[in-house]
Amino acid sequence: EIVLTQSPATLSLSPGERATLSCRASQSVSSYLAWYQQQPGQAPRLLIYDTSNRATGIPARFSGSGSRTDFTLTISSLEPEDSAVYYCQQRSNWPPTFGGGTKVEIK
Amino acid sequence: EVQLLESGGGLIQPGGSMRLSCAASGFTFSSQAMSWVRQAPGKGLEWVSGINGSGDKTYYADSVKGRFTNSRDNSKNTLYLQMNSLRAEDTAVYYCAKGRITMTLGDFDYWGQGTLVTVSS
Repeated sequence: EIVLTQSPATLSLSPGERATLSCRASQSVSSYLAWYQQQPGQAPRLLIYDTSNRATGIPARFSGSGSRTDFTLTISSLEPEDSAVYYCQQRSNWPPTFGGGTKVEIK
Repeated sequence: EVQLLESGGGLIQPGGSMRLSCAASGFTFSSQAMSWVRQAPGKGLEWVSGINGSGDKTYYADSVKGRFTNSRDNSKNTLYLQMNSLRAEDTAVYYCAKGRITMTLGDFDYWGQGTLVTVSS
């Protein structure tokens, strides 16, 4: 199965700062990578699909980039409500797999 | 508005069985692949099982293969997960998730609120 490794494990930044989250795949997933946000006590929410497409209702400050094995989720200017754990997920090969998550803390 | 509402979780002894349900509304249920994804306490997300729109193709994680059965009743817009031979490591919040595309191997654009399954004696 494809292993997704996310880094860093935790990111602590101030409101208005830029957050850069990384997801690395153990083999190519082409562009079939999604990002989810999970706030405390809530279900995950789809942010980005197929590397760079924002899901419905997702603010423009969230963007995705990358290809094959290296992907990035960027939050251009952090808001307090962006405090959450972010997961990447691949849909290139069975089984679909998730990364271990990056926790974003807002100072 | 898409809504997914899981039910059926609770406390169960090791070796026991439990059936989860997920009632769907707000979209054409029979056209969409659906999955179950779980999250152990304090841990990350783990895909458990997927099923295509017609219900004739199912897929499972190795960790549950042979013990869990994913099914759907399109006349009732409901997804099910029958879990047998439960183990302590199956303890998790179980989410049903709607596939964003019709393919079963996909990502998930809507999630239920989750139902907690605790396997303990």
